[in-house]
Formats: sequence, C-alpha cells, structure tokens
Amino acid sequence: DVQLQESGPGLVKPSQSLSLTCSVTGYSITSGYYWNWIRQFPGNKLEWMGYISYDGSNNYNPSLKNRISITRDTSKNQFFLKLNSVTTEDTATYYCARGDGYYHYWGQGTLVTVSA
Amino acid sequence: DIVLTQSPASLAVSLGQRATISCRASQSVSTSSYSYMHWYQQKPGQPPKLLIKYASNLESGVPARFSGSGSGTDFTLNIHPVEEEDTATYYCQHSWEIRTFGGGTKLEIK
Repeated sequence: DVQLQESGPGLVKPSQSLSLTCSVTGYSITSGYYWNWIRQFPGNKLEWMGYISYDGSNNYNPSLKNRISITRDTSKNQFFLKLNSVTTEDTATYYCARGDGYYHYWGQGTLVTVSA
Repeated sequence: DIVLTQSPASLAVSLGQRATISCRASQSVSTSSYSYMHWYQQKPGQPPKLLIKYASNLESGVPARFSGSGSGTDFTLNIHPVEEEDTATYYCQHSWEIRTFGGGTKLEIK
C-alpha cells in the first residue's frame, strides 16, 4: 500500500526557511503521478502549494511566488518542501499527497508553527 | 484563481436522513466529457479522504450512500442515509487550473 509521511521541525522563526521531508513507501516517486504539498491553515482553509512530477518537473502555486521549492531524492524515495522567508501566516499543518488532479494518498500531516 | 463557494457552512441532519452539500465555482470546471471537481471528507486529526472524483465517480471503498452530481459551475454532494460516522467536514476541490478547495461544510448527525 502507498504511504506518505511528513517530517521536519515543528517550530520555525519568522524570516527563516521552513523545510519538510515526505518519505514515500509502497510506490516509487519516479514511476508516475505528481507529488504534492498541501497545507491547511488554522480555521481549516486548504491551499495547494505545488508539486514535483515523476519526471522531476515542478509546478507551484503563483501565490507563493519565489518562496517555494520542491525537490526530491530518488535514491531515498523522498521529496522535500522548502519555503523561504516565512511569516506567522505560514503557520499551518503541512501535508504531502500523491495525485495529478485529485489526491488519493495523503500523509498524516505535520504542524509547523512560525513564531519568534 | 477559481473560487469555490460551499454551502451551507454547517448543517445538522437526523440519522438516516439526507445531507446535501453544494459547491459553486466562479467559472466552469467542466468540458463536454469531464467535470474537474472532487470531494473529500475530513475528520479531526486526519488528512482529507477522497470520496468522489470527477464530480460523480465514487472512489473505491467509499460507501454507496455517498454520491456526487453537477456540471459547469454547480456541484452537489449527497449522503443518504447519513450514519453517525459521517460526522466530518466536507470539501470540494477542482483541478481545472491552479487547484483550489472550497471552504468546507461541517456535518453533524442529530
């Protein structure tokens, strides 16, 4: 069965970078699909952030402009999120998910709080 | 970006009755062949769970009491008959362009 698991720091200071890892088991991230980051803000609004494709191409939500980068390590079957210049408004639960248009497999999510 | 507006924001339905949740898109998300609208269920402390894809296609393993309909800009999720375990928040999401989600509808079972 496909499983995704997020990991990373739960607390980040304003103006610093947020870095998260999504570890995937049960399916190779180079075999197919898009590998996404989605976040859920306090109050429950969901926002699609971007993806890295099975072929290594990227697509990002324009709302995140130049702050976001999604990369991967195919040898470890992991993909990564880096969000620069964070503010308190980036406080959210961050999910990784597999999907091209809809999202069938999700990680359990990791709460990241941005605070001094 | 396409804005998805869900209504109502919350509803309470008696056990065994029908729950109807609406999702309206700010522009069409349908072609003649497909509607790029999907529905999720989220329970506290869990990620969203895919229920329905392409407006009306039930995801494998999802009970048949869930159904979806609609096209263009207007979509509906129906649950009938509702069960206690259906207490959750429900979201629509489109995949026409930059993916966005609706604001959610919280369902309580009376």
